[in-house]
Amino acid sequence: QSALTQPPSASGSPGQSVTISCTGTSSDVGRYNFVSWYQQHPGKAPKLMIYEVTKRPSRVPDRFSGSKSGITASLTVSGLQAEDEADYYCASYAGSITVFGGGTKLTVL
Amino acid sequence: EVQLVESGGGLVKPGESLRLSCAASGLTVSDAWINWVRQAPGKGLEWVGRIKSKTSGGTMGYAAPVKGRFIISRDDSENTVYLQMNSLISDDTGVYYCLTDYRDDGYWGQGTLVTVSS
Repeated sequence: QSALTQPPSASGSPGQSVTISCTGTSSDVGRYNFVSWYQQHPGKAPKLMIYEVTKRPSRVPDRFSGSKSGITASLTVSGLQAEDEADYYCASYAGSITVFGGGTKLTVL
Repeated sequence: EVQLVESGGGLVKPGESLRLSCAASGLTVSDAWINWVRQAPGKGLEWVGRIKSKTSGGTMGYAAPVKGRFIISRDDSENTVYLQMNSLISDDTGVYYCLTDYRDDGYWGQGTLVTVSS
């Protein structure tokens, strides 16, 4: 099972919006609505930001949103803030296994 | 409040074994799907395996690189999930996290470092 494909980097200025893509296959992203997104700051454990493609834990700001079309899921961060600078990983349920993306480093310019 | 606490990491030689623990509080591990994820130094996250909840059958699944070498188990009396790692190789070096999605949120432990080196 190959890893999901994410761009290695993304950037935006404060207040702008940025979208990070996550491309899988018909066996994972395309088959199941169980895509999650995680945020990881340096030296810290990851945090769940989005689950089941579009759902957001109550502690996560509504500036974070998720979507999916076909085999590609996306994370959009609106109204970028300095604290959003971090690594972001997508993950998808794939039946007997779970697969992660390679990660995207989001830089707030 | 849900908390997951990993322990058991350390320095081992290639070919040796190690058992990691994931002790839970605030939830009952038999009611949750518990995953193990690792992160090699400077690298991304890699899913290692999972144990499903009792109501989902309690079955385990493993990533290809660890299948046949790693075993996940659960002790309901200790409310703890274990990751038994055998025949360790240098590529197994990294921080190991346990995590779960529970009641509309996700919870990760702080991680435990495993170093495989001669």
